[in-house]
Amino acid sequence: DAGVIQSPRHEVTEMGQEVTLRCKPISGHDYLFWYRQTMMRGLELLIYFNNNVPIDDSGMPEDRFSAKMPNASFSTLKIQPSEPRDSAVYFCASSLAGVRLNEQFFGPGTRLTVL
Amino acid sequence: GESVGLHLPTLSVQEGDNSIINCAYSNSASDYFIWYKQESGKGPQFIIDIRSNMDKRQGQRVTVLLNKTVKHLSLQIAATQPGDSAVYFCAESHGQNFVFGPGTRLSALP
Repeated sequence: DAGVIQSPRHEVTEMGQEVTLRCKPISGHDYLFWYRQTMMRGLELLIYFNNNVPIDDSGMPEDRFSAKMPNASFSTLKIQPSEPRDSAVYFCASSLAGVRLNEQFFGPGTRLTVL
Repeated sequence: GESVGLHLPTLSVQEGDNSIINCAYSNSASDYFIWYKQESGKGPQFIIDIRSNMDKRQGQRVTVLLNKTVKHLSLQIAATQPGDSAVYFCAESHGQNFVFGPGTRLSALP
């Protein structure tokens, strides 16, 4: 199994540009999570899906952030327009059976730098 | 790599010695705790967990201690090896709400 796959691994963009981060969960996993990691705030849950349906998006910082899961094998996190304070590492995780932390498998992350 | 931690607290330990990494949590209602290891360029990896009805749990070379009185969690790594060098952070949860700690960078010195 290839594990959770994220792309790109690194993204550098200018303020105001649209950024799209991509995630392919582990095959067969019903839950998908998007996290953001910064020095100041640590790891934060942004949103999670169950069977492609967004369940809890209370962690999404503002309307500039949106996430979709068009099918069981693909999800995107979009930031439009991007701002320098969005610079962080964004992780995608998936799990087979639920939201329990010990059941989540993390991808390698995307390091986003907004200039 | 895809890890955050340029200015994290650092713990340097001689190879073969034991490491103790500490974590203070904030919510007295938290009933489940977990330790992660994050290597450079990788996502967090589950190490060990503990429920609030326990005060100690052991795994392979790792032990987690929970002190609910002072809301403190520790991770002990026995006989630290070069492969243990990474950022370690804890997480607390209550139901579907979880909070992650900032992390400590462990360096195993030869």
